[in-house]
Amino acid sequence: RKEVEQDPGPFNVPEGATVAFNCTYSNSASQSFFWYRQDCRKEPKLLMSVYSSGNEDGRFTAQLNRASQYISLLIRDSKLSDSATYLCVVNPSKAAGNKLTFGGGTRVLVKP
Amino acid sequence: SAVISQKPSRDICQRGTSLTIQCQVDSQVTMMFWYRQQPGQSLTLIATANQGSEATYESGFVIDKFPISRPNLTFSTLTVSNMSPEDSSIYLCSVRQGSNEQYFGPGTRLTVT
Repeated sequence: RKEVEQDPGPFNVPEGATVAFNCTYSNSASQSFFWYRQDCRKEPKLLMSVYSSGNEDGRFTAQLNRASQYISLLIRDSKLSDSATYLCVVNPSKAAGNKLTFGGGTRVLVKP
Repeated sequence: SAVISQKPSRDICQRGTSLTIQCQVDSQVTMMFWYRQQPGQSLTLIATANQGSEATYESGFVIDKFPISRPNLTFSTLTVSNMSPEDSSIYLCSVRQGSNEQYFGPGTRLTVT
């Protein structure tokens, strides 16, 4: 089992719709969680950290479910510019030091 | 967040040669990392660049193939040695400042022919 797993998609989303997708992680001791966005041929950019209580940043909402070991990202009122690959990133544990583990990414395509 | 630049942005190299990639940060950072992203894949950590000492390599990566320097808190280099077509990839420098949040340079797109 991979340490961090994501549905690769693509998720084809009509403009203005809501899309949500999950990421599962295998290490129950994982400490920190993030969502990154990566556009084609560009570097990953931090979208948001994921806190235990969940957090929201504009149209983006991230949730953490420690019991089931997954995090989620929800995008409301999708824009064409939201089309990208969304990378789930986990800091596995203190024993792993500061090394982040990346999921394979979920591709989102927002269409008019 | 820190501003990270990499040189070169891209290169096409012949097999058997070596390429050194530079990473410059506009502020001092505690941790610097080098990643590789092969076509259609996610990111794989190559090594942690340690200031003033040898880099810490991940499983599957060795110093002879990927020597790394980090002479100070704002600069690091990664060399891809004795290149083969399998080394064709995007190489990304990444930094962390204090918190857990990590930022990436624009990447170096390497093609080995």
